[in-house]
Order: sequence, then C-alpha cells, then structure tokens
Amino acid sequence: AQSVSQHNHHVILSEAASLELGCNYSYGGTVNLFWYVQYPGQHLQLLLKYFSGDPLVKGIKGFEAEFIKSKFSFNLRKPSVQWSDTAEYFCAVGLGGYQKVTFGTGTKLQVIP
Amino acid sequence: GAGVSQSPSNKVTEKGKDVELRCDPISGHTALYWYRQSLGQGLEFLIYFQGNSAPDKSGLPSDRFSAERTGGSVSTLTIQRTQQEDSAVYLCASSLVSGDNQPQHFGDGTRLSIL
Repeated sequence: AQSVSQHNHHVILSEAASLELGCNYSYGGTVNLFWYVQYPGQHLQLLLKYFSGDPLVKGIKGFEAEFIKSKFSFNLRKPSVQWSDTAEYFCAVGLGGYQKVTFGTGTKLQVIP
Repeated sequence: GAGVSQSPSNKVTEKGKDVELRCDPISGHTALYWYRQSLGQGLEFLIYFQGNSAPDKSGLPSDRFSAERTGGSVSTLTIQRTQQEDSAVYLCASSLVSGDNQPQHFGDGTRLSIL
C-alpha cells in the first residue's frame, strides 16, 4: 500500500518569508496528487491537484506545487506567506479513481505578523 | 449548493455508550470516506466506500467501529462501547469517481466527546 510522508509537522515563519512544505510518497506507478488546506475553524478544502501534464501546478492564493517523479515528491511552495496562510496543510496521493486516496499526517503552518 | 452534511455537529456521551454519526454525501458522489482527526494525530483514515464494491475497512482502529452505506448514499459510522480515546472530530468526505482520483469534498465534521 502507498504511504505519504510529510516530514515537517510544525513550521513557523514570519510574514513575507518563502514557504516549502515537503511531501513524499512511496508508490512508483501513476499517481494523482493533491494538497488540501484546513484554515482554523473551517473544513478541509482543496488547494491544488496534479493529474498529468505540466509538473508545476498552480493553485489558489498563490500556492504552487512541483511533481518530481524521480524523487517521488510533490512539495508545496509559496514565495511570500501571509498571516492568513496560517493553517494545516495535507498532502494526499491516489493511485487512480477506483482506489482510495491516502493522506499525509499534515503540517501546521504558523505565520507570525 | 449542497455540500457534504454531517450530523450531529457535536456529540457528548458517557464512556461505554454507543454512538452513531451520520454523513450525507453530495448527490452523485459514489466515493465516500470517513476520517478521524484528533490533536496531534493528523488525519486518520477509517473506511472507504466506492460504489457497490466491498468497503476498504483497513483504517478502522478496532472491532468497536463499523460503518455502512445504504443505497449508495447516506453513511453511518457506529462506535460501540465508546472509550475516552475515541474523542475526536470525525470527518466525512465524498467525491466523484472517474479514471483519475477526484478531489474530495469534506463535511464540517462531528466533534465527539467521551466523558
């Protein structure tokens, strides 16, 4: 079974700092990749997704993620974070529509004004 | 539009009681997931239903946990003889199914507190 690793459990940044959150997965075949975000007091929502094509994916609120197949990675980036980006971020990997999606354990991001 | 609806939003019960949590997925979504979210534990997968296939129960933590999905729509998660460690937010999500995994739509969760 596939596994998803998010190595950073808690990240603290100052506003305007650059962000990179790591995500690695264990499956070697074709994958569908996602990042979800949960803002304080809100439900989980999709940030961005990758199915195929350009490995650099742009999502909402200036976030992007790069799929590097050789590294089994799908890291999330943002050039300049804002206080409103304080949230928990989850990476998720699926092996195709009829198989379940597996989530990482999440990374809590705290942005200090 | 109608999203994933979960009820109750909050449930407080005594240790040893049984509880039932309900999830109404988005109409037409054939995939349904249950997760548990607790402090310091991240998002823990519990069970996955996809159409008429046998559910993937690999995430259920003990035989006190069970879930069913009637008519391919509404799902109930049942916890028997609740324990204090069952206290958590239980999340339900649904998605369309196609050749690619489709994004999941999450409900607001049921916050379960075991006294």
